[in-house]
Amino acid sequence: DIQMTQSPSSVSASVGDRVTITCRASQGISTWLAWYQQKPGKAPKLLIYVASTLQSGVPSRFSGSGSGTDFTLTISSLQPEDFATYYCQQANSLPYTFGQGTKLEIK
Amino acid sequence: EVQLVESGGDLVQPGGSLRLACAASGFTLSSYWMHWVRQAPGKGLVWVSRINSDGSTINYADSVKGRFTISRDNAKNTLYLQMNSLRAEDTAVYYCVRARSAAFEYWGQGALVTVSS
Repeated sequence: DIQMTQSPSSVSASVGDRVTITCRASQGISTWLAWYQQKPGKAPKLLIYVASTLQSGVPSRFSGSGSGTDFTLTISSLQPEDFATYYCQQANSLPYTFGQGTKLEIK
Repeated sequence: EVQLVESGGDLVQPGGSLRLACAASGFTLSSYWMHWVRQAPGKGLVWVSRINSDGSTINYADSVKGRFTISRDNAKNTLYLQMNSLRAEDTAVYYCVRARSAAFEYWGQGALVTVSS
């Protein structure tokens, strides 16, 4: 199975800050990577797919990059509604696997 | 509007069975791969199973293989997950998910399955 490792596991930031979350795959996955946002008690929401394609309706302050084993999710200017947990997920091979999550908290 | 609505979640004893259903609306179910993803309380996301548009290709996570069965009825716009020989570690919220470009594009609200005596 491909292991997905996110860092950091948690981060505190303020509204207006730029935040970057990284995701590393245990083997190369080309650009078969997606990012999700999850708020407490809610289903995850797709933000980015194939590493850098913004899902329809997602604000442009979210961006993704990377290929192979190293990927990043960047939020350019944090808004109050962005405080949530973020997951990466590889779709290169079965079983599809997720990172352990990064909790983004208000400083 | 795309909607996925799960039902069938319940409290069940270890070794018991349960069938989840996912009613799809706002799109043609027969055009999409569908998945089940679960999340244990306070934990991360885990992929469980997938089925292709006509049901001819099915895959499972090792942890549920031989115990869970995914199926679909495109005429009824419904996805199913039959869960047998349930264990405490199967306790989770189960999400029905529509896939796009190998990403999980639309998610249901989830169905809680609790396995406990």
